[in-house]
Amino acid sequence: QKEVEQNSGPLSVPEGAIASLNCTYSDRGSQSFFWYRQYSGKSPELIMFIYSNGDKEDGRFTAQLNKASQYVSLLIRDSQPSDSATYLCAVTGTASKLTFGTGTRLQVTL
Amino acid sequence: NAGVTQTPKFRILKIGQSMTLQCAQDMNHNYMYWYRQDPGMGLKLIYYSVGAGITDKGEVPNGYNVSRSTTEDFPLRLELAAPSQTSVYFCASSQRGELVSPLHFGNGTRLTVT
Repeated sequence: QKEVEQNSGPLSVPEGAIASLNCTYSDRGSQSFFWYRQYSGKSPELIMFIYSNGDKEDGRFTAQLNKASQYVSLLIRDSQPSDSATYLCAVTGTASKLTFGTGTRLQVTL
Repeated sequence: NAGVTQTPKFRILKIGQSMTLQCAQDMNHNYMYWYRQDPGMGLKLIYYSVGAGITDKGEVPNGYNVSRSTTEDFPLRLELAAPSQTSVYFCASSQRGELVSPLHFGNGTRLTVT
């Protein structure tokens, strides 16, 4: 089992819809959870982080964490074409280092 | 501020050649990292540093070396390049460590070994 798993996609959503991106992790001791966005050919940039169970909202983005079920998700409301990118989930793993998932490619269609 | 600057942007190496990927940051961050990203794969940590003079191995250090003589610079050395080292390399820095503060990435170096 991979330490951090994401569906590679592409996940296609129409403009204005809610995009839901999911990530599961294997290490029950994980404490820190991050979502990075990476546009094609560019470097990743942090968009959200969450440490506690529940929801955390920042503008159109909401991160959801469920430690009991070992998943973290990212919701993007009112999706825009500019949200089209690959979203990388990152979780603290072994030796307290950050482990990245392979990413989910999101396509927002007009 | 320039942030994290990586050079070169692209490089083609022949098998067995060596090169140094340069990375510099101007944010006075103590923490610096080298990642590689292969197509369809997540970022893999090669080496990291928590301050000048201190470096440690990440998940995939074989075939690479680093040094950290100053806070600003964190070069990555490839000795005896192999096709398996074909990848995109990202340097990153962080103010308080990647678990509690954002990673700031450079623009990447696309390396091809043939």
